[in-house]
Amino acid sequence: DIQMTQSPPSLSASVGDRVTITCRASQSIDTYLNWYQQKPGKAPKLLIHAASSRLSGVPSRFSGGGSGTGFTLAISSLQPEDFATYYCQQSYIPPFTFGQGTHLEIK
Amino acid sequence: QVQLQESGPGLVKPAQTLSLTCTVSGGSFSSGSYFLSWIRQSAGKGPEWIGHIYSSGTTNYNPSLKSRVTISADTSMSQLSLRLNSVTAADTAVYYCATYFDILSYFDYWGQGVLVTVSS
Repeated sequence: DIQMTQSPPSLSASVGDRVTITCRASQSIDTYLNWYQQKPGKAPKLLIHAASSRLSGVPSRFSGGGSGTGFTLAISSLQPEDFATYYCQQSYIPPFTFGQGTHLEIK
Repeated sequence: QVQLQESGPGLVKPAQTLSLTCTVSGGSFSSGSYFLSWIRQSAGKGPEWIGHIYSSGTTNYNPSLKSRVTISADTSMSQLSLRLNSVTAADTAVYYCATYFDILSYFDYWGQGVLVTVSS
């Protein structure tokens, strides 16, 4: 199985800050990397697919990058609704695997 | 719009079989390009892909669960089922059904999830 490792596990930030979350794959996954946002009691919601393609309707402050084994999710100017948990997920080969999550909380 | 709704018992005894159903509406998933998937999430952890089924009936399971899991769907792909045998407390989780868009390789639509607790 491909292991996905996110860092940091948690992050405290303020409204307006720029934050970056990192995701590393245990082997190369090209750009088969998706990012999801999850709020308490809700299902994960797709933000970015293919490492850097924002889903329609996702604000431009969210951006993704990387390829191979290293990926990033950046949020350029945090808004109150962005405080949530973020997961990366590889779709290169089954079993599809997710990272353990990065919990973004208000400072 | 596409909606998925999971249903099933919220409490299952150890060693018994967990059975869940997912009703899919608002979309056509029987003509290819989509897989119907089951994903679970234990408290405080990342989601875990259980497996999926294609419109042809082809299934693919997570090797960690393969010996205990069966995923099936009706021919119209509007009813999805999950059976997980010989459950233990480690199977306690929120179970989601989700659609996987094969061409772009992502989970796009998700159900709200159902909490299943394994306890005597």
